[in-house]
Amino acid sequence: DSGVTQTPKHLITATGQRVTLRCSPRSGDLSVYWYQQSLDQGLQFLIQYYNGEERAKGNILERFSAQQFPDLHSELNLSSLELGDSALYFCASSATSGGRFFGPGTRLTVL
Amino acid sequence: GQNIDQPTEMTATEGAIVQINCTYQTSGFNGLFWYQQHAGEAPTFLSYNVLDGLEEKGRFSSFLSRSKGYSYLLLKELQMKDSASYLCAVRDDQAGTALIFGKGTTLSVSS
Repeated sequence: DSGVTQTPKHLITATGQRVTLRCSPRSGDLSVYWYQQSLDQGLQFLIQYYNGEERAKGNILERFSAQQFPDLHSELNLSSLELGDSALYFCASSATSGGRFFGPGTRLTVL
Repeated sequence: GQNIDQPTEMTATEGAIVQINCTYQTSGFNGLFWYQQHAGEAPTFLSYNVLDGLEEKGRFSSFLSRSKGYSYLLLKELQMKDSASYLCAVRDDQAGTALIFGKGTTLSVSS
């Protein structure tokens, strides 16, 4: 158990819909990173938040957005969903340096 | 930008030693990480190298040469449970403090 929690574990929805994925980092970690993992692309970095502020952006689509709240949990919002958005979405957290610890992931299926 | 290369697949037998190589090109290098990932599960942290040389942790060792942009993960006394994907990741400080991942090496251990 990494100490990072994610909800929901599974999500099934239809094209065009909007979903919200939630992540709570390990106690004391200020950074949250979101990743997308699909079969053919590997782990793709989407976005990082640090103590409530956006820190870095990776390959995040304009239809996707995220935020980090004062209690440090983070939400990833995916809108106008397409079939190709079906993937595992992981969040990870870290302290000031060292390893990043991953949550169990949310498996999103878009039908 | 970043480029991280590792072999797609490797096979080995129980009790053997296997070396998984990773080469990288990145502009803001600040550490190399190895993760293990079983199918459908979260990546779990194995090792972290920021200076040149070998880091040993039980059956797993990781080596880094920053001048060559090269790392390897060495797994000794292989067990069936070591069958998994092994992900090489680079911390690039020009991308916040996010880790950028290679596509992973799928290791199959047979008896």
